[in-house]
Amino acid sequence: AQSVTQPDIHITVSEGASLELRCNYSYGATPYLFWYVQSPGQGLQLLLKYFSGDTLVQGIKGFEAEFKRSQSSFNLRKPSVHWSDAAEYFCAAYQAGTALIFGKGTTLSVSS
Amino acid sequence: SAVISQKPSRDICQRGTSLTIQCQVDSQVTMMFWYRQQPGQSLTLIATANQGSEATYESGFVIDKFPISRPNLTFSTLTVSNMSPEDSSIYLCSVEAPGQTNTGELFFGEGSRLTVL
Repeated sequence: AQSVTQPDIHITVSEGASLELRCNYSYGATPYLFWYVQSPGQGLQLLLKYFSGDTLVQGIKGFEAEFKRSQSSFNLRKPSVHWSDAAEYFCAAYQAGTALIFGKGTTLSVSS
Repeated sequence: SAVISQKPSRDICQRGTSLTIQCQVDSQVTMMFWYRQQPGQSLTLIATANQGSEATYESGFVIDKFPISRPNLTFSTLTVSNMSPEDSSIYLCSVEAPGQTNTGELFFGEGSRLTVL
């Protein structure tokens, strides 16, 4: 069955430190891949997406993600975290004819 | 982009009652999607609503429990019927990004947080 796995439930990072959130997918073929962010009390906002081509994709708010086919991964990174980045982050995958499938999310806390 | 408005933003409901959530989009869209996010969990698709046809429900969700209306290309409602505490969740409306048909790229409303006592 198709699935998206986010191994880390909760991560705490110091403000100014770098961040990497992990995401692995299990699909028969490479799906379209997404990262969304959900701030407290808010809906989901798309950070970035990967359809094809360059495996390093840039998104909003200084985030980037790298697609690695050999590892079935699509990890999210940011070089320097700001306190406002504290939120829930969801990785998602889509294949035509199926529903958009979300991982269980990673909660990011930022310490000062 | 698409701007999606949901009402109510939150509500506290009694067991056995029903609640209808409204979703309004600022542009015409073919498909609208309803998701459920249970406490501490990820998002699960409930159903896809196309204008002029019956909604398509995902496994584990049925029309009697979650009836959906889609009267036009900018509006949809989801009703949570005969609620129990297990229905306490955030319910989110979403639409495809303009010009991105069948890519999975979605815009989301801010959600409706329901608490069932």
